[in-house]
Amino acid sequence: DIQMTQSPSSLSASVGDRVTITCRASQGISNYLAWYQQKPGKVPKLLIYAASTLQSGVPSRFSGSGSGTDFTLTISSLQPEDVATYYCQKYNSASGGFTFGPGTKVDIK
Amino acid sequence: EVQLLESGGGLVQPGGSLRLSCAASGFTFSSYAMSWVRQAPGKGLEWVSAISGSGGSTYYADSVKGRFTISRDNSKNTLYLQMNSLRAEDTAVYYCAKDITYGDYVGGADDYWGQGTLVTVSS
Repeated sequence: DIQMTQSPSSLSASVGDRVTITCRASQGISNYLAWYQQKPGKVPKLLIYAASTLQSGVPSRFSGSGSGTDFTLTISSLQPEDVATYYCQKYNSASGGFTFGPGTKVDIK
Repeated sequence: EVQLLESGGGLVQPGGSLRLSCAASGFTFSSYAMSWVRQAPGKGLEWVSAISGSGGSTYYADSVKGRFTISRDNSKNTLYLQMNSLRAEDTAVYYCAKDITYGDYVGGADDYWGQGTLVTVSS
């Protein structure tokens, strides 16, 4: 099965900082990659799908890139409301399950 | 407005069974794949199972294969998860989620999530 890893596992940054989270697949998954945001005590929210397509209503400071095995989620200017755990997920049924990464917890410094 | 409402969670003994339901509204239910995702207390998200819009294709995580069964009743706009031989490690909040992609296959991200239902497996 394809495994998903994320780095870092947690980070602390200042308001206005550029933040980058990396997600890596153990095998190529083309662009079948989504990013979710889960705020404390809340339901996960879809941010990006197809590796780089911004979901409707998501602020433009969020962006995604990558293809194959290496992907990134970037927050161009971190805001207090971005405090959350971010998960990547592969969703190609042809390559097995729909595995989530372990998550990256983002805090404000 | 898309709404997903899970029910059926609760306390069950190890080895027991439980059936979760997810009532959907606000979209053409039969045209979208659906998934179950769980989250153990203080842990990350774990995909559990998915089903195509017609119900003809199903997928399971290795951790639940042979114990859980996903199904749907498109006439009732309802998704189900039958959970048998429950273990302590199945304790989690279970979310149902809607696939973003229109069509009779499973292969998209999940754009709407329910609020979840808690399943606790303990003696």
